[in-house]
Amino acid sequence: QKEVEQNSGPLSVPEGAIASLNCTYSDRVSQSFFWYRQYSGKSPELIMSIYSNGDKEDGRFTAQLNKASQYVSLLIRDSQPSDSATYLCAVNRPGGGNKLTFGTGTQLKVEL
Amino acid sequence: DTAVSQTPKYLVTQMGNDKSIKCEQNLGHDTMYWYKQDSKKFLKIMFSYNNKELIINETVPNRFSPKSPDKAHLNLHINSLELGDSAVYFCASSQDWTTGKTQYFGPGTRLLVL
Repeated sequence: QKEVEQNSGPLSVPEGAIASLNCTYSDRVSQSFFWYRQYSGKSPELIMSIYSNGDKEDGRFTAQLNKASQYVSLLIRDSQPSDSATYLCAVNRPGGGNKLTFGTGTQLKVEL
Repeated sequence: DTAVSQTPKYLVTQMGNDKSIKCEQNLGHDTMYWYKQDSKKFLKIMFSYNNKELIINETVPNRFSPKSPDKAHLNLHINSLELGDSAVYFCASSQDWTTGKTQYFGPGTRLLVL
């Protein structure tokens, strides 16, 4: 079982729709959760971080965390073509030296 | 001003050669990291240094040797390059190594071993 699992996609959504990206993790003591966006040929860029159960909203982005189900998701409202990228889920655990464990990423395509 | 910078951006070399990648951050952070992203886009940590001290040393061949001359710089030297070393290498930094601190990534160095 992979430590962090994501559906590789591609996930295609029409412009203006809600994109829903999902991530599950295996280590129950994972403490911090991150969503990074990576455009082709570019470096990962932090979109959202979430540390406690529930929802966290920032503009068009909402991160949702359910530690009991070991599940974290990212919702992108009013999706734009500029949101087309690979979204990487990352987790870290206490005492791990802030080491990030990444999933393989979900490719999102927002179509006109 | 670039927060985390890496040189070179591209590196094409022959098998068996030795090469170095340099990383610098001007964020005043204490902790720096090296990650490798393979051809399937999987990003995996290799090393981490906090204020010049090695914190994380993942299962990486000992042909890879990091060096941190000061807390703003973290270099990666690779001996006897192999075809499988072809990847994108990202440097990152964070304020410190407390769990949950945001990591900021450099632009990456694209290494191709022929």
